[in-house]
Amino acid sequence: EAGVVQSPRYKIIEKKQPVAFWCNPISGHNTLYWYRQNLGQGPELLIRYENEEAVDDSQLPKDRFSAERLKGVDSTLKIQPAELGDSAVYLCASSGFSPGTGIFGYTFGSGTRLTVV
Amino acid sequence: DAKTTQPPSMDCAEGRAANLPCNHSTISGNEYVYWYRQIHSQGPQYIIHGLKNNETNEMASLIITEDRKSSTLILPHATLRDTAVYYCIVVNDYKLSFGAGTTVTVRA
Repeated sequence: EAGVVQSPRYKIIEKKQPVAFWCNPISGHNTLYWYRQNLGQGPELLIRYENEEAVDDSQLPKDRFSAERLKGVDSTLKIQPAELGDSAVYLCASSGFSPGTGIFGYTFGSGTRLTVV
Repeated sequence: DAKTTQPPSMDCAEGRAANLPCNHSTISGNEYVYWYRQIHSQGPQYIIHGLKNNETNEMASLIITEDRKSSTLILPHATLRDTAVYYCIVVNDYKLSFGAGTTVTVRA
């Protein structure tokens, strides 16, 4: 079973520039999450999707962050314009039942490490 | 959301069992306890989860107290590759809320 795929793995941009992260969840997982992880801290939820609907975006800084999940599969998280404080690891996760085991689980991707200079 | 409390760090000798405690005194009856770990520069990795009963898989064992207010993750024979940050999470409404976790260092 393929895992959650994220790209790019690393991104360095200058402040005020836009940046986008892409996530492909596990096939069949209807729920998709974006988390942000600052250095030395646990991940913090930014947004949660049920299929194509954002059901929890209360922690998403809407002035500069946006996300979409067209067709309820892949998702993109965008920051425009980026600020120095946005430097962090952005993690995507999906949840659902495993086709092989039938067990419900949450699976994370490897993340995108963003550095804003 | 139910909060969890974990010690910030602990050391363990290679080959010995590592017992990681977690307090979740405000857990509700239908909330699961999940354990994840995160090795440097990787995404969180699932270890085990449980509701009421003790659970065991190929990675670890999970012991949940009868009142469900605390749990212990047991790594039976720690290896150097088990060095990571371990997160105890109470899942509420399909949302994982991470705390700071426990940094476990396995020493040779």
